[in-house]
Amino acid sequence: AQSVTQLGSHVSVSEGALVLLRCNYSSSVPPYLFWYVQYPNQGLQLLLKYTTGATLVKGINGFEAEFKKSETSFHLTKPSAHMSDAAEYFCAVMAGGATNKLIFGTGTLLAVQP
Amino acid sequence: NAGVTQTPKFQVLKTGQSMTLQCAQDMNHNSMYWYRQDPGMGLRLIYYSASEGTTDKGEVPNGYNVSRLNKREFSLRLESAAPSQTSVYFCASSEAPPGYPEAFFGQGTRLTVV
Repeated sequence: AQSVTQLGSHVSVSEGALVLLRCNYSSSVPPYLFWYVQYPNQGLQLLLKYTTGATLVKGINGFEAEFKKSETSFHLTKPSAHMSDAAEYFCAVMAGGATNKLIFGTGTLLAVQP
Repeated sequence: NAGVTQTPKFQVLKTGQSMTLQCAQDMNHNSMYWYRQDPGMGLRLIYYSASEGTTDKGEVPNGYNVSRLNKREFSLRLESAAPSQTSVYFCASSEAPPGYPEAFFGQGTRLTVV
């Protein structure tokens, strides 16, 4: 069965600082991996995804993530935080195959200080 | 282009009442999902449907039933609502791998059980 662990339920950074949100996954088959963002009182929006191929994935709003199979990790980074990045971020894993079961982590709330 | 549409957006139920949350997607996706979101717990999968005609339990199925009415529609039913089911409910849909497996979300239903 697949699962996702997000380390740090709250992360606070200064505007202009590096953003690093951590995600580790467990999957018995090669996974598909996703990062979603949720702004207050809204639904979820896809930031980026890893399916196959290049392990460094670029997404919207300057975010990127690197799939590291040996570490079972898919950490999200952004070189320079902006006030508008304040939101909750969710990592998710889908095991390949017929089931398409999509499991989310518990989320990380990112605060950006001026 | 509506994407994923959930109804209603808000609902207050009394303990023991029943209701059905409706979800429809217009993207011709095979897979559909129901999640609940509670503070600090992320999104937890209630039920999902990998394709029309199939449904499977997720992480927290107790107290819920689902129906995949056709390819477009996937409903969630609470037969006898309990205060523990107070939550925000999200419906999502996705294409099946090896297509584009990212999930698209509705705007959510905020349910309060008193």
